[in-house]
Amino acid sequence: DIVMTQSPDSLAVSLGERATIHCKSSRSVLYNLNNQNYLAWYQKKPGQPPKLLIYRASTRESGVPERFSGSGSGTDFTLTISSLQAEDVAVYYCQQYYSAPPMYIFGQGTKLEIK
Amino acid sequence: EVQLAESGGGLVQPGGSLRLACAASGFTFSDSPMTWVRQAPGKGLEWVATISGSGGSTYYGDSVKGRFTVSRDSSKNTLYLQMNSLRAEDTAVYYCAHQSGWSYFDYWGQGTPVTVSS
Repeated sequence: DIVMTQSPDSLAVSLGERATIHCKSSRSVLYNLNNQNYLAWYQKKPGQPPKLLIYRASTRESGVPERFSGSGSGTDFTLTISSLQAEDVAVYYCQQYYSAPPMYIFGQGTKLEIK
Repeated sequence: EVQLAESGGGLVQPGGSLRLACAASGFTFSDSPMTWVRQAPGKGLEWVATISGSGGSTYYGDSVKGRFTVSRDSSKNTLYLQMNSLRAEDTAVYYCAHQSGWSYFDYWGQGTPVTVSS
């Protein structure tokens, strides 16, 4: 089974500063036939459902602010918030959807707070 | 607009059963795989089960395999999760999610809480 490991577990960043979250997969999630990385990022706030931010490792979902970006390939991925806003306080999860048969494994989550 | 609304959560004793439902609208229900994800108190997101658009294929996380059954009724545009032999560790908020093909989860319901306790 693919294991997803995020770092750090928690992060405190000043408003307006950059926040960077890492996600490492135990196996590559790059699908060679289409050169797509089967990796998504979600934002989870208390009392709300998860929200899709990024898919295919770097494609921003419609309506997601441009300050959110995803990068990486193969086994190492990064979610970057370029200028932290107060409303970005949340827990962020990476997820792989590469496995067949499906096993949609999430990372353990990274809690992002304001410094 | 895709809308998902879960129902059926509540308090149940250990060893008991519960059936969750997720009413879907705004898309062709039979076209999309659907998934259940849960979040236990203070814990992260955990994939529970996925069902194909036709309902012919189902997949389960290891922690629920053999106890939970995912199904769907296209005539009612509703996804179900039958939960049997419930344990305290099944206590969580359960979310249904729409998938963009066999991939990421782009729409989520608001969730329904399940508490397993005596």
